Amino acid sequence: GENVEQHPSTLSVQEGDSAVIKCTYSDSASNYFPWYKQELGKRPQLIIDIRSNVGEKKDQRIAVTLNKTAKHFSLHITETQPEDSAVYFCAASFGDYKLSFGAGTTVTVRA
Amino acid sequence: DTAVSQTPKYLVTQMGNDKSIKCEQNLGHDTMYWYKQDSKKFLKIMFSYNNKELIINETVPNRFSPKSPDKAHLNLHINSLELGDSAVYFCASSPGTGGSTIYFGEGSWLTVV
Repeated sequence: GENVEQHPSTLSVQEGDSAVIKCTYSDSASNYFPWYKQELGKRPQLIIDIRSNVGEKKDQRIAVTLNKTAKHFSLHITETQPEDSAVYFCAASFGDYKLSFGAGTTVTVRA
Repeated sequence: DTAVSQTPKYLVTQMGNDKSIKCEQNLGHDTMYWYKQDSKKFLKIMFSYNNKELIINETVPNRFSPKSPDKAHLNLHINSLELGDSAVYFCASSPGTGGSTIYFGEGSWLTVV
């Protein structure tokens, strides 16, 4: 199958704390794993991505890790801020043209 | 400049009507998509076109008919609209193969009453 499982579905964190979202995928041939952020009423936008030949990637307060053996990848947001509140989607590539998305995680950062 | 633009942004229509959503990308990408986002926020791929050719059709009812007149445009026509078709429809594009970043349009909010 071409499944991407994402957990948790909702996450509430105190401002300044870290947030972690985890995803698993079903196809060992998947080689591209992007993360998207969707603010209320807006389009999903890419925030970070990782390819299968890399184990970890960081961009300022966000980082993604990939464990190919276990077929899971995670998004880490440090020092969370109110503007980090949004729905976050993980995705995995299946074949050359398909990107399947997880069900999304609603992150709420409490001030 | 809007990279992926789709119209209309909002559409309210009655059951049984036929409607179209248009999409255009100015990124020079080879691949375009339609995704459906339901009320639970789940993003599900419907169709994918590469250089005007249909390459993915994800068991979408045949009331939905995509058309790609050229690689910069991908339109979606929906016949005999049903209540369950109410959703946000996102057009998207990507450079092409081998796992590429997908860029989404702003979405078209379809409400069927």
